[in-house]
Amino acid sequence: EIVLTQSPGTLSLSPGERATLSCRASQSVNNNYLAWYQQKPGQAPRLLIYGASSRATGIPDRFSGSGSGTDFTLTISRLEPEDFAVYYCQQFGSSPRYAFGQGTKLDIK
Amino acid sequence: EVQVLESGGGLVQSGGSLRLSCAASGFTFSNYAMNWVRQAPGKGLEWVSTISGSGAYYADSVKGRLTISRDNSKNTVYLQMNSLRAADTAVYYCAKSFSGWYSFDYWGQGTLVTVSS
Repeated sequence: EIVLTQSPGTLSLSPGERATLSCRASQSVNNNYLAWYQQKPGQAPRLLIYGASSRATGIPDRFSGSGSGTDFTLTISRLEPEDFAVYYCQQFGSSPRYAFGQGTKLDIK
Repeated sequence: EVQVLESGGGLVQSGGSLRLSCAASGFTFSNYAMNWVRQAPGKGLEWVSTISGSGAYYADSVKGRLTISRDNSKNTVYLQMNSLRAADTAVYYCAKSFSGWYSFDYWGQGTLVTVSS
């Protein structure tokens, strides 16, 4: 069973700063099938990144994903006020078929 | 425009049953896998189930109690929930699979299931 561990649990930054969020898998992620989602309070998650590094439709280019194997990173180059939210990574595997990390809360410093 | 809309949530006693529905539009429904993901109050996301052309898949925590199905003529996916427990209390989201990338590109707003003990 693959477990995804996200760090830090909470990240406090100011608008304009750079955010770096980490997702580490307990085993190598199948074909880099690693995605990132953003969730704001009271809303459904929104797909940001798929295939570890490809931006989903309509996602601003300040969001970027990188990594392979067991270590993945979501970077937000310059934080906008609307970027403060919870971020989840998600992988595709065999057991369980899909798994999410526990989330990183990005809040305003 | 792709739309996904869940319904059927509510309050149910422990051991009871509930059926969730998810109506989709704006894409060729039969060509895509569909999924249920849940989120307990104040907690993170948990994958529940997927139905695709290759079959149905379940998280261990729901196997044998929850059953996913779909009706392509109605563009609807269902989640039959039996033997419900307090731990099943959550917002249940329906999500469309992003074909070939094993992620979820469109989500509904969710429906709340509350299991009382």
